[in-house]
Amino acid sequence: SAVISQKPSRDICQRGTSLTIQCQVDSQVTMMFWYRQQPGQSLTLIATANQGSEATYESGFVIDKFPISRPNLTFSTLTVSNLSPEDSSIYLCSVAAGGYGYTFGSGTRLTVV
Amino acid sequence: QKEVEQNSGPLSVPEGAIASLNCTYSDRVSQSFFWYRQYSGKSPELIMSIYSNGDKEDGRFTAQLNKASQYVSLLIRDSQPSDSATYLCAVNRDDMRFGAGTRLTVKP
Repeated sequence: SAVISQKPSRDICQRGTSLTIQCQVDSQVTMMFWYRQQPGQSLTLIATANQGSEATYESGFVIDKFPISRPNLTFSTLTVSNLSPEDSSIYLCSVAAGGYGYTFGSGTRLTVV
Repeated sequence: QKEVEQNSGPLSVPEGAIASLNCTYSDRVSQSFFWYRQYSGKSPELIMSIYSNGDKEDGRFTAQLNKASQYVSLLIRDSQPSDSATYLCAVNRDDMRFGAGTRLTVKP
């Protein structure tokens, strides 16, 4: 299955700033998925990113807050904008693993102060 | 109604016992079902997938699917302390939807 390199692994950011998270996959994939996992909670899908088209956002998530870039079939970025303490979470990218579920990046732990 | 529901636990079993984890889902058209294990501070890892009614066994793990009842379960036989983790049930339509997870503790 695909291997995903995600960075940064963690960051502490000031309110009002932005953080960009990068995911690099070792093979070409059609879709990449971005999830948020709040402390003690399960994974919530933020958006699905296809190469060459705008990302599809889930209810409650908007492009202005979570802009996504998908410039090619192996790379994607998620930016969390205008940070507030409520954005403190783990953010995960994932890809379909050959039809056998998803493979996840190692996650980015964001703390907003 | 949540798309995927699990008992949040925590579930505690003694070492060597069978741990039983349960999950129900709301979307009848779902075709693919998965169990992920997530250790604290780590990302989820896929441990089982099941697509048709019945049982699927892989080592100490058995996944069970009943589409008529919209029910998925995971049995862990001969539980080990290393099995202590949160287990996430997931259902795939166009994308993966996760339950809240069940925290399992296996006591030596």
